[in-house]
Amino acid sequence: EAQVTQNPRYLITVTGKKLTVTCSQNMNHEYMSWYRQDPGLGLRQIYYSMNVEVTDKGDVPEGYKVSRKEKRNFPLILESPSPNQTSLYFCATAGGSTDTQYFGPGTRLTVL
Amino acid sequence: AQSVTQLGSHVSVSEGALVLLRCNYSSSVPPYLFWYVQYPNQGLQLLLKYTSAATLVKGINGFEAEFKKSETSFHLTKPSAHMSDAAEYFCAVSGRGGTASKLTFGTGTRLQVTL
Repeated sequence: EAQVTQNPRYLITVTGKKLTVTCSQNMNHEYMSWYRQDPGLGLRQIYYSMNVEVTDKGDVPEGYKVSRKEKRNFPLILESPSPNQTSLYFCATAGGSTDTQYFGPGTRLTVL
Repeated sequence: AQSVTQLGSHVSVSEGALVLLRCNYSSSVPPYLFWYVQYPNQGLQLLLKYTSAATLVKGINGFEAEFKKSETSFHLTKPSAHMSDAAEYFCAVSGRGGTASKLTFGTGTRLQVTL
């Protein structure tokens, strides 16, 4: 079954404590991306990756890092989380020529 | 550059009534257009997509959308609303690049279905 998985699904943490949200896909897709969803703002892209070792900033990259060492994994790293990073985060993947992106189930992050 | 405008952050319809969710886009290149649905506490699910074939696109759950280049619109419709359609709907646009490219979302429309 084609899947995009994210872990953890829910996380409550404190300001400044480094955390990583993992994303894994089994569709052999080259493209992967991270979004955050906030009320009234829709989804905004944080970072994306066109392939292994190729990453680039999206619209709201400040305070985030990513890495793409393997095709299937694309972790999102918050080195020093702050309360304004409290949000719902989605990982997405895409392959082929029609740009259809498939989304993971989401990670709800609360930074106190 | 690309952008999406969804008119109406909340839409309420009666069960059995027509659903119309509006989406207008801006794109400097021929676009791909998408509608996604998000049910409460779930991720985004693709409803339908336009990728330059037929301008009237049929999706899952009885939804369809029509690409109108002259109006730069891609409105989502369903003839008869069902209670299970209550969700948030997002319109999105990407440029045709042959490979996955930047997807820009609208701010979403929450659909309420009443008895």
